[in-house]
Amino acid sequence: SQKIEQNSEALNIQEGKTATLTCNYTNYSPAYLQWYRQDPGRGPVFLLLIRENEKEKRKERLKVTFDTTLKQSLFHITASQPADSATYLCAPQPMQGGKLIFGQGTELSVKP
Amino acid sequence: NAGVTQTPKFQVLKTGQSMTLQCAQDMNHNSMYWYRQDPGMGLRLIYYSASEGTTDKGEVPNGYNVSRLNKREFSLRLESAAPSQTSVYFCASRGQGAAEQYFGPGTRLTVT
Repeated sequence: SQKIEQNSEALNIQEGKTATLTCNYTNYSPAYLQWYRQDPGRGPVFLLLIRENEKEKRKERLKVTFDTTLKQSLFHITASQPADSATYLCAPQPMQGGKLIFGQGTELSVKP
Repeated sequence: NAGVTQTPKFQVLKTGQSMTLQCAQDMNHNSMYWYRQDPGMGLRLIYYSASEGTTDKGEVPNGYNVSRLNKREFSLRLESAAPSQTSVYFCASRGQGAAEQYFGPGTRLTVT
C-alpha cells in the first residue's frame, strides 16, 4: 500500500538557521507534491506545490525539492524565525485534482 | 470572504448518538472534502465531492455519510457515534483546475 513518511520526531533549531524537513514515499509515483503548514488548533494552509518534472521550487524563504528516483521531497526554510514554528505536512498527489495522501507531519520549533 | 467555515467547533457525544457536521465555502469551489486527523496518523480522507450532486468514498468512509446540499455546503453525518470516531474533523475545498485545498478550522469531536 502507499506509504508517506515524514520525520516523526520534532525538529528543534535555532533562529536564523536552515530547517530541512523530509518526506519519503513508497509504492507510489506522484505527479505532484504539496506542502502545507498547520498551526495548533487550526486547519492546514497550503504553501507550495512541485511537479515531478521540477527538481526545485522556491517561494521567498521556502525551497522544495522533488527527487522521483529517491522518492523523496525535501522542504527547506532558510533564515528560520520563531514564527515558522508549526507542523509541516507533505501530500503527494497522483495527478492535478487527484486525491491527496497526507504524511503525519513534522513539528518544527524555532528557538530565539 | 470567510473561506471555509465549519460548525460546531467542539462536540461531545455519547456512544450511539448521531450528529451532523456542517461545512460551507464561499469561494465558488467545485470540489469539497472531509478529513479526520488523529495523532500520529495524519489527515485521512473520509468522503469527497468532485462537484455538486456527486459524492465518493475516501480512505475511511465506514460509519459516515455525506450530503452535498448545494455547491456551497457539504455535510458529514455520524449515524451512530463510536469512541473510535473521536477525532478532529476538517472540511476542505478546491477550485476547478487548481491543486491546493483550502481547509476549515476543524471540529473537535469526542465520543464517550
